Amino acid sequence: DAGVTQSPTHLIKTRGQQVTLRCSPKSGHDTVSWYQQALGQGPQFIFQYYEEEERQRGNFPDRFSGHQFPNYSSELNVNALLLGDSALYLCASSLMEQGAFFGQGTRLTVV
Amino acid sequence: QQQVKQSPQSLIVQKGGISIINCAYENTAFDYFPWYQQFPGKGPALLIAIRPDVSEKKEGRFTISFNKSAKQFSLHIMDSQPGDSATYFCAAIYNTDKLIFGTGTRLQVFP
Repeated sequence: DAGVTQSPTHLIKTRGQQVTLRCSPKSGHDTVSWYQQALGQGPQFIFQYYEEEERQRGNFPDRFSGHQFPNYSSELNVNALLLGDSALYLCASSLMEQGAFFGQGTRLTVV
Repeated sequence: QQQVKQSPQSLIVQKGGISIINCAYENTAFDYFPWYQQFPGKGPALLIAIRPDVSEKKEGRFTISFNKSAKQFSLHIMDSQPGDSATYFCAAIYNTDKLIFGTGTRLQVFP
Protein backbone atom coordinates (compact mmCIF):
# COMPACT_ATOMS: atom_id res chain seq x y z
CA ASP A 1 0.00 0.00 0.00
CA ALA A 2 1.60 3.25 -1.18
CA GLY A 3 -0.32 5.38 1.29
CA VAL A 4 -1.20 8.95 0.35
CA THR A 5 1.05 10.32 -2.38
CA GLN A 6 1.39 13.96 -3.36
CA SER A 7 3.13 15.66 -6.26
CA PRO A 8 5.23 17.61 -6.70
CA THR A 9 7.20 17.59 -3.44
CA HIS A 10 8.56 21.10 -3.92
CA LEU A 11 7.45 23.97 -6.10
CA ILE A 12 8.56 27.55 -6.60
CA LYS A 13 6.12 29.98 -8.21
CA THR A 14 6.03 33.70 -8.87
CA ARG A 15 3.43 35.96 -7.30
CA GLY A 16 0.31 36.12 -9.48
CA GLN A 17 0.84 32.71 -11.06
CA GLN A 18 -1.42 29.70 -10.74
CA VAL A 19 -0.47 26.31 -9.29
CA THR A 20 -1.96 22.80 -9.31
CA LEU A 21 -1.09 20.24 -6.66
CA ARG A 22 -2.02 16.58 -6.94
CA CYS A 23 -2.95 13.86 -4.49
CA SER A 24 -3.59 10.13 -4.72
CA PRO A 25 -5.40 8.80 -1.66
CA LYS A 26 -4.61 5.67 0.29
CA SER A 27 -6.05 2.59 -1.35
CA GLY A 28 -9.73 2.20 -0.49
CA HIS A 29 -10.15 5.73 0.85
CA ASP A 30 -12.91 7.79 -0.76
CA THR A 31 -12.57 11.11 1.04
CA VAL A 32 -9.80 13.61 0.37
CA SER A 33 -9.11 16.73 2.41
CA TRP A 34 -6.58 19.48 1.81
CA TYR A 35 -4.77 21.41 4.51
CA GLN A 36 -2.38 24.34 4.51
CA GLN A 37 0.41 24.34 7.07
CA ALA A 38 2.43 27.50 7.56
CA LEU A 39 5.85 27.18 9.15
CA GLY A 40 5.55 26.48 12.87
CA GLN A 41 1.77 26.20 12.75
CA GLY A 42 -0.76 23.42 12.79
CA PRO A 43 -2.51 22.39 9.57
CA GLN A 44 -5.50 24.52 8.58
CA PHE A 45 -8.40 22.93 6.73
CA ILE A 46 -8.96 24.15 3.17
CA PHE A 47 -11.70 21.84 1.84
CA GLN A 48 -12.85 18.25 1.63
CA TYR A 49 -14.00 16.19 -1.35
CA TYR A 50 -16.26 13.18 -1.31
CA GLU A 51 -17.90 11.53 -4.32
CA GLU A 52 -16.35 14.19 -6.56
CA GLU A 53 -18.15 16.99 -4.71
CA GLU A 54 -16.80 19.60 -2.34
CA ARG A 55 -18.43 18.54 0.91
CA GLN A 56 -17.17 21.30 3.15
CA ARG A 57 -14.84 24.24 3.04
CA GLY A 58 -12.66 26.09 5.48
CA ASN A 59 -11.99 29.80 5.69
CA PHE A 60 -10.04 30.15 2.46
CA PRO A 61 -10.76 32.51 -0.46
CA ASP A 62 -12.18 31.41 -3.80
CA ARG A 63 -8.66 31.51 -5.24
CA PHE A 64 -8.39 28.06 -3.73
CA SER A 65 -10.35 25.47 -5.67
CA GLY A 66 -10.24 21.74 -6.07
CA HIS A 67 -11.44 18.71 -7.84
CA GLN A 68 -11.87 15.02 -7.14
CA PHE A 69 -11.75 12.46 -9.91
CA PRO A 70 -13.71 9.18 -10.18
CA ASN A 71 -10.65 7.26 -8.94
CA TYR A 72 -10.76 9.45 -5.77
CA SER A 73 -7.54 11.30 -6.62
CA SER A 74 -7.71 15.03 -6.16
CA GLU A 75 -6.21 18.34 -7.26
CA LEU A 76 -5.81 21.61 -5.42
CA ASN A 77 -5.62 24.74 -7.54
CA VAL A 78 -4.53 28.12 -6.30
CA ASN A 79 -4.92 31.17 -8.56
CA ALA A 80 -3.29 34.59 -8.33
CA LEU A 81 -0.65 33.40 -5.89
CA LEU A 82 0.32 35.65 -3.02
CA LEU A 83 3.51 35.58 -0.98
CA GLY A 84 1.37 34.48 1.97
CA ASP A 85 0.37 31.31 0.14
CA SER A 86 3.85 29.93 0.76
CA ALA A 87 3.31 26.87 2.94
CA LEU A 88 3.29 23.10 3.12
CA TYR A 89 0.13 21.82 1.45
CA LEU A 90 -1.07 18.54 2.84
CA CYS A 91 -3.50 16.07 1.42
CA ALA A 92 -5.26 13.65 3.75
CA SER A 93 -7.43 10.71 2.85
CA SER A 94 -9.89 8.85 5.00
CA LEU A 95 -12.69 6.35 4.91
CA MET A 96 -15.74 6.96 7.05
CA GLU A 97 -14.89 6.53 10.72
CA GLN A 98 -11.20 5.87 10.23
CA GLY A 99 -8.53 8.41 11.00
CA ALA A 100 -7.13 10.63 8.28
CA PHE A 101 -3.79 9.68 6.74
CA PHE A 102 -1.58 12.43 5.38
CA GLY A 103 0.77 12.57 2.45
CA GLN A 104 4.27 13.99 2.71
CA GLY A 105 3.04 17.34 1.47
CA THR A 106 3.99 19.80 -1.25
CA ARG A 107 6.23 22.66 -0.17
CA LEU A 108 5.08 25.71 -2.14
CA THR A 109 7.27 28.79 -2.19
CA VAL A 110 5.90 31.96 -3.76
CA VAL A 111 8.51 34.56 -4.70
CA GLN B 1 -15.84 26.57 20.24
CA GLN B 2 -14.03 24.83 17.41
CA GLN B 3 -10.62 25.34 18.98
CA VAL B 4 -8.37 22.71 20.46
CA LYS B 5 -5.87 24.13 22.94
CA GLN B 6 -2.55 22.35 23.30
CA SER B 7 0.26 22.69 25.82
CA PRO B 8 3.14 22.95 26.30
CA GLN B 9 4.46 24.63 23.18
CA SER B 10 7.81 22.91 23.63
CA LEU B 11 9.07 20.10 25.81
CA ILE B 12 12.55 18.86 26.64
CA VAL B 13 12.84 15.39 28.12
CA GLN B 14 15.75 13.17 29.08
CA LYS B 15 16.05 9.83 27.33
CA GLY B 16 14.00 7.25 29.21
CA GLY B 17 11.72 9.87 30.74
CA ILE B 18 7.99 10.41 30.28
CA SER B 19 6.73 13.06 27.86
CA ILE B 20 3.28 14.46 28.56
CA ILE B 21 1.32 16.69 26.19
CA ASN B 22 -2.09 18.06 27.09
CA CYS B 23 -5.05 19.20 25.02
CA ALA B 24 -8.43 20.69 25.82
CA TYR B 25 -11.53 21.20 23.70
CA GLU B 26 -14.89 22.94 23.94
CA ASN B 27 -17.11 21.31 21.35
CA THR B 28 -18.77 18.29 22.94
CA ALA B 29 -19.81 17.07 19.49
CA PHE B 30 -16.26 15.96 18.77
CA ASP B 31 -16.24 12.17 18.63
CA TYR B 32 -12.72 11.21 17.59
CA PHE B 33 -9.41 12.47 18.95
CA PRO B 34 -6.25 11.54 17.05
CA TRP B 35 -2.65 12.43 17.77
CA TYR B 36 -0.23 13.10 14.97
CA GLN B 37 3.57 13.03 14.92
CA GLN B 38 5.36 15.23 12.42
CA PHE B 39 9.03 15.32 11.51
CA PRO B 40 10.49 18.38 9.76
CA GLY B 41 9.54 18.54 6.09
CA LYS B 42 7.17 15.58 6.38
CA GLY B 43 3.42 15.21 6.61
CA PRO B 44 1.77 14.39 9.96
CA ALA B 45 1.63 10.68 10.74
CA LEU B 46 -1.30 9.24 12.66
CA LEU B 47 0.10 7.97 15.96
CA ILE B 48 -2.82 6.91 18.09
CA ALA B 49 -6.46 7.91 18.45
CA ILE B 50 -9.29 7.58 20.95
CA ARG B 51 -13.07 7.95 21.11
CA PRO B 52 -14.75 9.72 24.05
CA ASP B 53 -16.37 6.56 25.38
CA VAL B 54 -12.91 5.24 26.33
CA SER B 55 -10.83 6.70 29.17
CA GLU B 56 -7.47 5.33 28.12
CA LYS B 57 -5.85 3.72 25.12
CA LYS B 58 -2.34 2.33 24.98
CA GLU B 59 -0.26 1.38 21.97
CA GLY B 60 3.29 0.42 22.77
CA ARG B 61 4.99 3.36 24.52
CA PHE B 62 2.17 5.76 23.62
CA THR B 63 -0.90 6.22 25.82
CA ILE B 64 -3.87 8.56 25.45
CA SER B 65 -5.75 9.51 28.60
CA PHE B 66 -9.20 10.98 28.06
CA ASN B 67 -11.30 12.91 30.58
CA LYS B 68 -14.70 13.51 29.02
CA SER B 69 -16.15 15.55 31.89
CA ALA B 70 -13.18 17.92 31.87
CA LYS B 71 -13.02 17.94 28.07
CA GLN B 72 -9.32 17.19 28.20
CA PHE B 73 -7.05 14.55 26.77
CA SER B 74 -3.36 13.92 26.92
CA LEU B 75 -0.59 11.95 25.26
CA HIS B 76 1.97 10.14 27.37
CA ILE B 77 5.16 8.86 25.78
CA MET B 78 6.85 6.38 28.08
CA ASP B 79 10.58 5.67 27.92
CA SER B 80 11.07 8.61 25.56
CA GLN B 81 13.78 8.12 22.93
CA PRO B 82 15.77 10.59 20.81
CA GLY B 83 13.90 9.23 17.77
CA ASP B 84 10.69 10.54 19.33
CA SER B 85 11.95 14.10 18.83
CA ALA B 86 9.31 15.65 16.61
CA THR B 87 6.31 17.97 16.71
CA TYR B 88 3.14 16.44 18.09
CA PHE B 89 -0.35 17.65 17.25
CA CYS B 90 -3.54 16.71 18.99
CA ALA B 91 -6.69 16.98 16.91
CA ALA B 92 -10.41 16.56 17.17
CA ILE B 93 -13.06 15.72 14.63
CA TYR B 94 -16.82 15.38 14.49
CA ASN B 95 -18.16 12.59 12.30
CA THR B 96 -16.42 12.94 8.93
CA ASP B 97 -15.93 16.65 9.40
CA LYS B 98 -12.62 18.48 9.18
CA LEU B 99 -9.81 17.87 11.63
CA ILE B 100 -9.27 20.66 14.13
CA PHE B 101 -5.63 20.69 15.14
CA GLY B 102 -3.97 21.95 18.26
CA THR B 103 -1.07 24.37 17.98
CA GLY B 104 1.57 21.67 18.29
CA THR B 105 4.22 20.67 20.81
CA ARG B 106 7.84 20.45 19.82
CA LEU B 107 9.40 17.56 21.73
CA GLN B 108 13.14 17.21 22.12
CA VAL B 109 14.52 14.09 23.77
CA PHE B 110 18.15 14.30 24.81
CA PRO B 111 20.34 11.24 25.34
